[in-house]
Amino acid sequence: EPEVTQTPSHQVTQMGQEVILRCVPISNHLYFYWYRQILGQKVEFLVSFYNNEISEKSEIFDDQFSVERPDGSNFTLKIRSTKLEDSAMYFCASKGAGPDTQYFGPGTRLTVL
Amino acid sequence: GENVEQHPSTLSVQEGDSAVIKCTYSDSASNYFPWYKQELGKRPQLIIDIRSNVGEKKDQRIAVTLNKTAKHFSLHITETQPEDSAVYFCAASGILTGGGNKLTFGTGTQLKVEL
Repeated sequence: EPEVTQTPSHQVTQMGQEVILRCVPISNHLYFYWYRQILGQKVEFLVSFYNNEISEKSEIFDDQFSVERPDGSNFTLKIRSTKLEDSAMYFCASKGAGPDTQYFGPGTRLTVL
Repeated sequence: GENVEQHPSTLSVQEGDSAVIKCTYSDSASNYFPWYKQELGKRPQLIIDIRSNVGEKKDQRIAVTLNKTAKHFSLHITETQPEDSAVYFCAASGILTGGGNKLTFGTGTQLKVEL
C-alpha cells in the first residue's frame, strides 16, 4: 500500500537557521497539507496546497513559512528563520481527488536550540 | 473557524470492556469527521470516518455515530484489547472551494487498556 514519506525523521537546528522539510506524497494525490504537533498537544493545521498554489493557511503559517512543489513528486516546507517555538513534529499529508481521507506521513521531529 | 472539543482527555478501561470518546464541533458546515489513532512517536492513522449524510458507521469493533443537530460525534470501541492503547484524535472538516479541506483536530484522548 502506498504511503506518504518524509525526510529527515529528525532535524536539529540552531535558532535563526533555515530548515527545509521534505515530503513525498502518495503518487496520484492532488491535495497536500502540512500539520504540526507540539509535544503532547493536538495536531494543528498549517497549510493546504492544490494545483500549485496555497488553498488555505492558518495563523501559524506566517511569512517565515513557505511551501513548494519543486517537481512532480516532492512537497517541501521551508522555515526561513527558526524560533524556539517552532520545535514540534511536522506531518505532511496528502489526499486524492475523490474521497476526503488524508494520509499522514511519519513526521519530521524539528528541534530548535 | 471550526473548533473541536474532545472528552475525556484520558480513559482507562479493562481489557474486554467498551470505550467511548466524544467530540463536539462548532461549524455546521463541517461534513466529514475522521478518527485517527496515534501510537507514541508514530503518524496519525485513520481508523474510521463518517460523512454528514450518515448517522452511524461500523467496522468490526469500531463504530462512529454522528448527531448533526447537536453537532457531536462519538467513537465506540468494543471488546478492547491492549493494542488499542494509544491516543485517539477526532477531527472535522468541510469542503472548501478548491477542495483544500483542512482537518481541525480535537485535543486527543489517551486510551489505556489494562489487563
